[in-house]
Amino acid sequence: SQTIHQWPATLVQPVGSPLSLECTVEGTSNPNLYWYRQAAGRGLQLLFYSVGIGQISSEVPQNLSASRPQDRQFILSSKKLLLSDSGFYLCAWGPNTEAFFGQGTRLTVV
Amino acid sequence: AQSVTQLGSHVSVSEGALVLLRCNYSSSVPPYLFWYVQYPNQGLQLLLKYTSAATLVKGINGFEAEFKKSETSFHLTKPSAHMSDAAEYFCALYTGGFKTIFGAGTRLFVKA
Repeated sequence: SQTIHQWPATLVQPVGSPLSLECTVEGTSNPNLYWYRQAAGRGLQLLFYSVGIGQISSEVPQNLSASRPQDRQFILSSKKLLLSDSGFYLCAWGPNTEAFFGQGTRLTVV
Repeated sequence: AQSVTQLGSHVSVSEGALVLLRCNYSSSVPPYLFWYVQYPNQGLQLLLKYTSAATLVKGINGFEAEFKKSETSFHLTKPSAHMSDAAEYFCALYTGGFKTIFGAGTRLFVKA
């Protein structure tokens, strides 16, 4: 069966520091991969998606970037965090129309 | 434009009562619709999905949803609420091109 791992679960980072969140999927090959951000009281905002190695589509201009160095690995990065980058970040994979989510990372920028 | 609207950011029911969470959508093509549940500090879990087969869709944990094209609705129901159903629920619409849009969510409270 397929599983998705996302880490860390929580992270507190100072403003201006770099960020790296990692997500890996097991049990499937060539999955569609997604990074979402969830703000309190709001739905999910799609940040990036990838349909293959090295293929990244950005949905929202922002301070973040994503990379897919391996088939089942998806990384969310920032060179310098802003206070507004705080939130709950979710990685997901999907075979077609539905999505299967990781446990999320709670990022607090201080 | 395609959109998803969840009516009511908070719903409170008594244990054993009917659960009804409302979702309306707008789509120019036959929709693929989903309900997800999120427990505190966790990711979203797929409850059920509608993909143009039966209009009444059964999901996990006793939930079901009915697709009504004439009302552009996809409401989620459960006949009898349990304390463990307390969570946030999201309605979602697959818009094509690997993209899904989510409603703002409805937090369900279950009173003993």
